[in-house]
Amino acid sequence: EVQLVQSGAEVKEPGESLRISCKVSGYTFDNHFIAWVRQVSGKGLESLGIFLPADFDSKYNPSFRGHVTFSADRSSSTAFLQWSSLQASDTAVYYCARQDHGGHHLDFWGQGTLVTVSP
Amino acid sequence: QSMLTQPPSASGSPGQRVTISCSGANSNIGSNSVNWYRQLPGTAPKLLIYLDNRRPSGVPDRFSGSKSGISASLAISALQSEDEADYYCAAWSDALNGQVFGGGTKLTVL
Repeated sequence: EVQLVQSGAEVKEPGESLRISCKVSGYTFDNHFIAWVRQVSGKGLESLGIFLPADFDSKYNPSFRGHVTFSADRSSSTAFLQWSSLQASDTAVYYCARQDHGGHHLDFWGQGTLVTVSP
Repeated sequence: QSMLTQPPSASGSPGQRVTISCSGANSNIGSNSVNWYRQLPGTAPKLLIYLDNRRPSGVPDRFSGSKSGISASLAISALQSEDEADYYCAAWSDALNGQVFGGGTKLTVL
């Protein structure tokens, strides 16, 4: 059974750093892109980009490039989303999802991680 | 950022058929397949339709998708109360290096 399990909610202050995780199981971690998607409270879905664990190939939404970083620990089949300096506007729920090979659709999703950035 | 265009709300009575539209551009829907996701309150989105009109295992055939040009639609027949959710269309965007999503349609079952 394919599962993506994300780390728990975080509360941070502006300017702080943060790394959230997405641990996958039930498939070969290297073989599928991981997509990161955010959802501001009451709003729609927005793609941050995609990451391929096999070679750390990262493709960022231009709106987020330079502000977030994708990475992974292949030994534990865990993907990470990282900020070096959070802003209040980063407050949202962040989802990781597995991207299918053929049609770019996101076929399995994590449960989401709520990130709150407040002074 | 640019999004696909969906109506913010839709409604129908139990047993009825409803459709949700989604319009985009040549750079997204016009050149890539459309996917639909359903999100129940407080939960993660779930894949409902992929490659324009295919259903993942476990999705009932009451749900169907179609695409023509730069527009797509999701149809739900024999509406049930548990179909109340937010529905998002999406398509690949090379410019975004990811899915471009519609703004979401909140479906209410009257």
